[in-house]
Order: sequence, then structure tokens, then C-alpha cells
Amino acid sequence: EPEVTQTPSHQVTQMGQEVILRCVPISNHLYFYWYRQILGQKVEFLVSFYNNEISEKSEIFDDQFSVERPDGSNFTLKIRSTKLEDSAMYFCASRGSRPQETQYFGPGTRLLVL
Amino acid sequence: AQSVTQLGSHVSVSEGALVLLRCNYSSSVPPYLFWYVQYPNQGLQLLLKYTTGATLVKGINGFEAEFKKSETSFHLTKPSAHMSDAAEYFCAVSDVRNTPLVFGKGTRLSVIA
Repeated sequence: EPEVTQTPSHQVTQMGQEVILRCVPISNHLYFYWYRQILGQKVEFLVSFYNNEISEKSEIFDDQFSVERPDGSNFTLKIRSTKLEDSAMYFCASRGSRPQETQYFGPGTRLLVL
Repeated sequence: AQSVTQLGSHVSVSEGALVLLRCNYSSSVPPYLFWYVQYPNQGLQLLLKYTTGATLVKGINGFEAEFKKSETSFHLTKPSAHMSDAAEYFCAVSDVRNTPLVFGKGTRLSVIA
């Protein structure tokens, strides 16, 4: 069964460093998402991406964040200058063309900013 | 704006007992409703979803949920809990406008032997 994959599974970084989280969505999906979950809290939407551009973003997704689909398979989330409060589990998700289709989530990248 | 309220951050049931996890939503348009499960140190797995049609939805692992528009609810049930059901359960809402998923705070289910 097709699945969303994410790398790395864990990332530890120093405050102020740049990190890139990588995702490979399901191959025929058209909509891509990043969510995050701070430890013990609910899953929060960051950004959605369709047709090579951001379609929607939340208040969390400020200028420190960017997304890119550098090739036909990868979808990346970059945090330019990490802060302590960026420590969280970051989930990538993808879905097909219709709104009622399921968003499939990857296993997540646990980011720890020291 | 859409929102989801999950009553009870932690629910504990005995093995074999009924599982009932509550979810109420707010949406200005007909909602799409989802239940996801998260096992420790894992990602989110879809249990079931409601988009249109039959309001009683059956999912994986014996779970089901019923969409009740009049009560703005989408409670998750399972007749008989199993130890392997212990996990965090998230209710989420979206809709036909392609809005991103809005999640509830989650309910941690513990199953006691």
C-alpha cells in the first residue's frame, strides 16, 4: 500500500540553525500539507501546497518557514532560524484531487531545538 | 472558523467494555469528519471518515462513528475494547472547500486488563 514517508525521523539542532524536513508524498496525490504537534498538544495545520504554490497557511507559518517541491517526488519544509518553540513533531500529509479524499499522514519528524 | 471539541482528555475502560469517545464540531458548511488514531511514537492513521451519505460509518479495528447533524457530533464507539486499542484518538473536521484538517485536542484511551 502506498504511504507517505518522511526523513529524518529525528533531528536535533541548535537554536538559530536552519533545518530541512523532507517528505515523499504518495505518488499520484496532488495536495500536500505540513502539520505540527507540540508535545502533549493537538495537531496544528501549518501549510498546504497545490500546483507548485502555497494554497493556504496558518498564522504559525511565518517568514521563518518555507516549503518547496524541488522535484517530482519530494516536498520539503525549511525552518530558517530555529527557535526553542519550534520543537515538535512535524507531519507531512498528502491527498488526491477530491476534497473528500483522505489525507494520508507520514510517520513524522521529531525536531528538538536546543 | 471550524473547530473540534473532544470531551475528556483521558478515557479509561476495561478490556471488553464499550468504548465511547466524544467529538463535537463547529462548521458553517456541511462538514467532512475524521477520526485518526496515533499509537505511541507513530504517525496518524485514519480510523474512519464521514463525507456524505450514510451517517453511520464503519472503520478499521471494529470502530464506528455516527454523524448527528442536529447534535453537531461525531462520537467514536467500539463495542468491546481490546488492549491494543490503547492510543491517542483525534477527531478532525474539514469540508468541500478544501480546508485543511482542524483537529481536536485528542483523547488518550487506556484499556485496563
